[in-house]
Amino acid sequence: NAGVTQTPKFQVLKTGQSMTLQCAQDMNHEYMSWYRQDPGMGLRLIHYSVGAGITDQGEVPNGYNVSRSTTEDFPLRLLSAAPSQTSVYFCASSSRSLTGGVNINEQYFGPGTRLTVT
Amino acid sequence: AQSVTQPDIHITVSEGASLELRCNYSYGATPYLFWYVQSPGQGLQLLLKYFSGDTLVQGIKGFEAEFKRSQSSFNLRKPSVHWSDAAEYFCAVGSSNTGNQFYFGTGTSLTVIP
Repeated sequence: NAGVTQTPKFQVLKTGQSMTLQCAQDMNHEYMSWYRQDPGMGLRLIHYSVGAGITDQGEVPNGYNVSRSTTEDFPLRLLSAAPSQTSVYFCASSSRSLTGGVNINEQYFGPGTRLTVT
Repeated sequence: AQSVTQPDIHITVSEGASLELRCNYSYGATPYLFWYVQSPGQGLQLLLKYFSGDTLVQGIKGFEAEFKRSQSSFNLRKPSVHWSDAAEYFCAVGSSNTGNQFYFGTGTSLTVIP
């Protein structure tokens, strides 16, 4: 298994440009999430999905769009990049478990995409 | 609302010394708690998790954590630190009510000196 893969690893954009950060997982996980990591702020949830065709907003969704047409893929789109979106972006996935009444499992993270907006 | 606090931004320990990283959470129901480690330039790797049962949980790389409901804490410990443990450590609380959302602390950076 490749686990969670993200492309590209590095990206530089100019203000106003658009781009899509790709995320794929081969573990058949139902849940997928996007986080951004900024110094001193930990990881903040941007958007998440509980299954194909279902997405929802996290803590910091403004400026980002997502879609989930398949179980495997969960791309993150920046429609008009701004310097405030300079960050490291992580995609994560997890499975839904009903063992012992617990329906949450740990998340598996991709290697990240370092984005700079000038 | 759920939240996680890691009071220590940065900790320095000598190699071979013991380590404790603090984590406090705020969550109305029974929390699902996690510790992740992030090496420079890498993604996050799970160290250990607590769902229920025994409040002392063992993880990888010799780490353990203890869940204390009365103190709303889930501190990470290691009896003897190795130089390779230098990294950023994140505590997280999971919510089973809203689609597997996770809330992360701001992280503790660990430096290990010889």
